[in-house]
Amino acid sequence: DTAVSQTPKYLVTQMGNDKSIKCEQNLGHDTMYWYKQDSKKFLKIMFSYNNKELIINETVPNRFSPKSPDKAHLNLHINSLELGDSAVYFCASKGGRAEAFFGQGTRLTVV
Amino acid sequence: QQPVQSPQAVILREGEDAVINCSSSKALYSVHWYRQKHGEAPVFLMILLKGGEQKGHEKISASFNEKKQQSSLYLTASQLSYSGTYFCGTEAGTASKLTFGTGTRLQVTL
Repeated sequence: DTAVSQTPKYLVTQMGNDKSIKCEQNLGHDTMYWYKQDSKKFLKIMFSYNNKELIINETVPNRFSPKSPDKAHLNLHINSLELGDSAVYFCASKGGRAEAFFGQGTRLTVV
Repeated sequence: QQPVQSPQAVILREGEDAVINCSSSKALYSVHWYRQKHGEAPVFLMILLKGGEQKGHEKISASFNEKKQQSSLYLTASQLSYSGTYFCGTEAGTASKLTFGTGTRLQVTL
């Protein structure tokens, strides 16, 4: 059983489109994250949710909207995609002061 | 602001040792270490908590200087499988914010 699964793995889309990435964890963790990894390989935190509540929003453009229907799911919807949004997006989950588990990543390419 | 790691990159021969450093400007509660291989997700290696508790990998060790907000990861007798990018992750207060460092690319050669 995959602990943190995100779909799709690859996403190629045109500028201006709207797309969603889904994430699910079966670890019973309270905290879930979205990270963006750009071409320089920096892992930048975007959002953090704790028990379905938004805890951290790291000055991400409003075009990015996370949604957590329950504590096992955290989805990311992106409106009006731009070239600069191309990156690998990772979902992760964490239980308290323990380690984080990452999903496989979604490579988003905006053309 | 993200933690700063040094060196940015290092090349080792198999069997050599390496040290990767992570420095934060904030008072830390914990430091995590992860390794990411090309095209894959980061994988947990070790966690060091304020107060001295450690959990993690058998063959990799780390230290955490709480006063200096610094951590070091020690890779001894490196193997080819150690190649990848190493990230430290820090928690400064809230467990809901895990911030990753700038990364260190390590390559082990024959």
